Amino acid sequence: GENVEQHPSTLSVQEGDSAVIKCTYSDSASNYFPWYKQELGKGPQLIIDIRSNVGEKKDQRIAVTLNKTAKHFSLHITETQPEDSAVYFCAAPVNTPLVFGKGTRLSVIA
Amino acid sequence: SQTIHQWPATLVQPVGSPLSLECTVEGTSNPNLYWYRQAAGRGLQLLFYSIGIDQISSEVPQNLSASRPQDRQFILSSKKLLLSDSGFYLCAWTLGSENTEAFFGQGTRLTVV
Repeated sequence: GENVEQHPSTLSVQEGDSAVIKCTYSDSASNYFPWYKQELGKGPQLIIDIRSNVGEKKDQRIAVTLNKTAKHFSLHITETQPEDSAVYFCAAPVNTPLVFGKGTRLSVIA
Repeated sequence: SQTIHQWPATLVQPVGSPLSLECTVEGTSNPNLYWYRQAAGRGLQLLFYSIGIDQISSEVPQNLSASRPQDRQFILSSKKLLLSDSGFYLCAWTLGSENTEAFFGQGTRLTVV
């Protein structure tokens, strides 16, 4: 079945630095790769997604890169701010519903 | 616009008691519906998903069940709760295939005592 591995599980960065979270997936048929942000006590919300026909997508301070050959994709957050502190999830659905990574707890230290 | 409602927000139940969590979606029709559970400090575990009324797939065999009595209503139930059922339960919906954004409810924090 579909497997999504996410690293690291926790990440602490100084405010203003960059943060990178990586995910790998097992099924080469995957063609949609979303990233979700979950704030404490709330449901996850989509922050950016990428489809397999592009290698990179940016939205202001966040970007996602995709390497289909290696079957991994990454979330990049630049100029981190305290409000970026949250749990981030990647996902890679195929013929099943969204399968999520284990999550990364990001802490931005002011 | 579409909205998703999930209730209750918090619930404390004794071991062996029944459970009913409800989720409704507004502003769309024939959504795919999902129940996820999130244990403390862990990822999202898919419990059930439904692509239509009376079409429910179970991903994890356990003492929970799901029903979809109406197109936009999804219910998570248990006849007898276990301590291990404690967690944060999330309902979500997508439109059409899985290759679209999933919208989550605000979640239900269930504590079994």
